[in-house]
Amino acid sequence: QVQLQESGPGLVEPSETLSLICTVSGGSISRYYWNWIRQPPGKGLEWIGYIYYSGITNYNPSLKSRVTISVDTSKNQFSLKMTSVTAADTAVYFCARHPFDLWGRGTLVAVSS
Amino acid sequence: QAVVTQEPSLTVSPGGTVTLTCGSSTGPVTSSHYPYWFQQKPGQAPRTLIFDTDNKHSWTPARFSGSLLGGKAALTLSGAQPEDEAEYYCLLSYSDARVVFGGGTKLTVL
Repeated sequence: QVQLQESGPGLVEPSETLSLICTVSGGSISRYYWNWIRQPPGKGLEWIGYIYYSGITNYNPSLKSRVTISVDTSKNQFSLKMTSVTAADTAVYFCARHPFDLWGRGTLVAVSS
Repeated sequence: QAVVTQEPSLTVSPGGTVTLTCGSSTGPVTSSHYPYWFQQKPGQAPRTLIFDTDNKHSWTPARFSGSLLGGKAALTLSGAQPEDEAEYYCLLSYSDARVVFGGGTKLTVL
């Protein structure tokens, strides 16, 4: 069956760029929208943005200036880049297929020096 | 940015019925907000229970149902089970393509 797996560094220094990849296995990335969501420790969910397999994107206005989501259909992957991170960006980052019927297990990214 | 509001916490007795609600700071919630409901247990990813107001996935227990109630989206649990104790989040989509999660409701079955 289709599975999602987030990958990337678990520790990022303040002011640096957070980079994560979501790999889609067992199925094609085509013809779906793909989301990034995050959850700070002990807090609620925050939608970061989504990308369509064709490359169309939509971002949370509060994060838009720092976030880029891209897709690589040849690798069946989509990625998240967030610039100028601070401790407030420490969270578990999830990828999910729209309509949120399929989620990755999440990966914890800590922002610390 | 729109704020989506949920009850911070609710308690239900085993076998009882409880309704969780999801409101929007911009006005009444309608089917055009395509309300979603998610269940999240500690250490796990969320899973969708309800999408587009009242639609269930194949894995959604029959005791959960979605609706619109008094200008809010609602999730009703009828016949609560101990395994239903979890955090529940709603999500609304807005006409300008914003997607906003509610703050979550911690449901205790006691």
